[in-house]
Amino acid sequence: GEDVEQSLFLSVREGDSSVINCTYTDSSSTYLYWYKQEPGAGLQLLTYIFSNMDMKQDQRLTVLLNKKDKHLSLRIADTQTGDSAIYFCAERGGGADGLTFGKGTHLIIQP
Amino acid sequence: DAGVIQSPRHEVTEMGQEVTLRCKPISGHDYLFWYRQTMMRGLELLIYFNNNVPIDDSGMPEDRFSAKMPNASFSTLKIQPSEPRDSAVYFCASRIGQPSGNTIYFGEGSWLTVV
Repeated sequence: GEDVEQSLFLSVREGDSSVINCTYTDSSSTYLYWYKQEPGAGLQLLTYIFSNMDMKQDQRLTVLLNKKDKHLSLRIADTQTGDSAIYFCAERGGGADGLTFGKGTHLIIQP
Repeated sequence: DAGVIQSPRHEVTEMGQEVTLRCKPISGHDYLFWYRQTMMRGLELLIYFNNNVPIDDSGMPEDRFSAKMPNASFSTLKIQPSEPRDSAVYFCASRIGQPSGNTIYFGEGSWLTVV
């Protein structure tokens, strides 16, 4: 079955860039997503990318997709304390209706 | 737009009791999903509906779990009898059908504790 892998933790200094990485196994993935979950809250969609794209930028967020290596990354520029959360990578395979999620990366911001 | 609405937000119940979680999807969305989030297993898809019809319930852990969608604006996830290992956050999500249905919107979750 499909598998999505992420590192569990990432620690960065406030003001630096954060890069959260994700790998997936399903070669038929059509869409790849990044969700953010703050403590005690639901999942907030940050952005998604179609599999025929290799980059998408939205304000401080940049998504890079390497389809050959099945690698997805989320870069957050100028990381702020409000960015502290769990970031989930998810993929949606061809013909699938639901998402397969990674276990999430806890982003820790150091002052 | 009110988003996906779930209730209750928090529930504490005793083992053996019946638990009913409720979800109102975003108006006009054709698909409704139920996910469960635990520390050990992360986010798991339990079941999903398309136009009120269950399409895939292979993620439902066992017969104690059941889900219904009697109409386009309401779904329930029921656990009977509940067990401590059912303690988790249960998310409902919805999206519009294709071709534009690329975005799945999640509710705030129902935080269930079974003691």
